[in-house]
Amino acid sequence: NAGVTQTPKFRVLKTGQSMTLLCAQDMNHEYMYWYRQDPGMGLRLIHYSVGEGTTAKGEVPDGYNVSRLKKQNFLLGLESAAPSQTSVYFCASSLLSGNEQFFGPGTRLTVL
Amino acid sequence: AQSVTQPDIHITVSEGASLELRCNYSYGATPYLFWYVQSPGQGLQLLLKYFSGDTLVQGIKGFEAEFKRSQSSFNLRKPSVHWSDAAEYFCAVVNDYKLSFGAGTTVTVRA
Repeated sequence: NAGVTQTPKFRVLKTGQSMTLLCAQDMNHEYMYWYRQDPGMGLRLIHYSVGEGTTAKGEVPDGYNVSRLKKQNFLLGLESAAPSQTSVYFCASSLLSGNEQFFGPGTRLTVL
Repeated sequence: AQSVTQPDIHITVSEGASLELRCNYSYGATPYLFWYVQSPGQGLQLLLKYFSGDTLVQGIKGFEAEFKRSQSSFNLRKPSVHWSDAAEYFCAVVNDYKLSFGAGTTVTVRA
């Protein structure tokens, strides 16, 4: 099992560009999450999904959109990137709400 | 909403010495609590979790944590630190469907 994988690992964008981050899990988990990690702020939840076809907002959803068309995939989109979105993005999944979350290796995004 | 606070931003400890990382949680029903570790450039790995029952929880890599309801704490401990324990440690609590993370404590291990 690969667990949780994220694509790409690194990306540099110019302000105003768009991109999509892909998260995939092979554990048949229902719940999937996108976090961003910034120095001194821990991990903050951007969006999450409680099952295929569902999405919900987390703490810091502005400027991001998500889709969960397939159970194993959770996509995070930036429509018009801003320097404030420079961060490390982590995807996670869990079998049930409140269970252990399994994390991907992260995507380091820089917006110039 | 439940939340956690990690009072220590950075701790330096000598190799072989004991380590204790503090975590305080806000009041709620019996919390579901976690400790995660993040090595440089890596994702997060679960060290241990507390849902209910025995308040002393054993985890991987020789770590343990004790849930103390009277102090609203879930402190992480290791009796003898190894150089490979240098990392960032996060306490987290279940908050509705989600985890709320503390800001993290960075541990530096000196020889």
